[in-house]
Amino acid sequence: DTAVSQTPKYLVTQMGNDKSIKCEQNLGHDTMYWYKQDSKKFLKIMFSYNNKELIINETVPNRFSPKSPDKAHLNLHINSLELGDSAVYFCASSQTSASGNTIYFGEGSWLTVV
Amino acid sequence: AQSVSQHNHHVILSEAASLELGCNYSYGGTVNLFWYVQYPGQHLQLLLKYFSGDPLVKGIKGFEAEFIKSKFSFNLRKPSVQWSDTAEYFCAVKGNNDMRFGAGTRLTVKP
Repeated sequence: DTAVSQTPKYLVTQMGNDKSIKCEQNLGHDTMYWYKQDSKKFLKIMFSYNNKELIINETVPNRFSPKSPDKAHLNLHINSLELGDSAVYFCASSQTSASGNTIYFGEGSWLTVV
Repeated sequence: AQSVSQHNHHVILSEAASLELGCNYSYGGTVNLFWYVQYPGQHLQLLLKYFSGDPLVKGIKGFEAEFIKSKFSFNLRKPSVQWSDTAEYFCAVKGNNDMRFGAGTRLTVKP
């Protein structure tokens, strides 16, 4: 079973459209994340949720809106897609622990805006 | 917030050569340190991690890294690389709430 799963894996869409990427983790973790990887492979955190509450919201356009219906899910909705939104979006999860915690990544969602 | 810098953007080696990829971080608190690998077209996979204890940590596929607190460094090493090690390598540091990644180092191993 995939620990962190994202859908869709590939998405090609036109500018101006609205799209969503879904993420689910079956690890029982309490924290979930969205990262964006651009064409130069640079990884940047976008959002982080702990127990369904938003704890990190980096400087991303308001067109990006995360939603966490429960601890196991963190979906990313993007409005009015722009060419610059083309990237790979990685969902991830971790469990808060005083001794240290590892982040586990999903397989990524390749978004291409044309 | 913490930050991470990786000094080498692209490293090209021949098979059997030794590898060392540099990673420095800045963060005032207790950190967890990681190296992730991303093979072409794939997601990030954990190579190794340091939370506490022995500063020399061993990971999968023959990789190891040494945490040197005084230098704020966590360099990745492998004595003898293989063609299959061709990938992007990311150093990461986790503070209180999130994980920050370095810009990545692309490793190309020539057969």
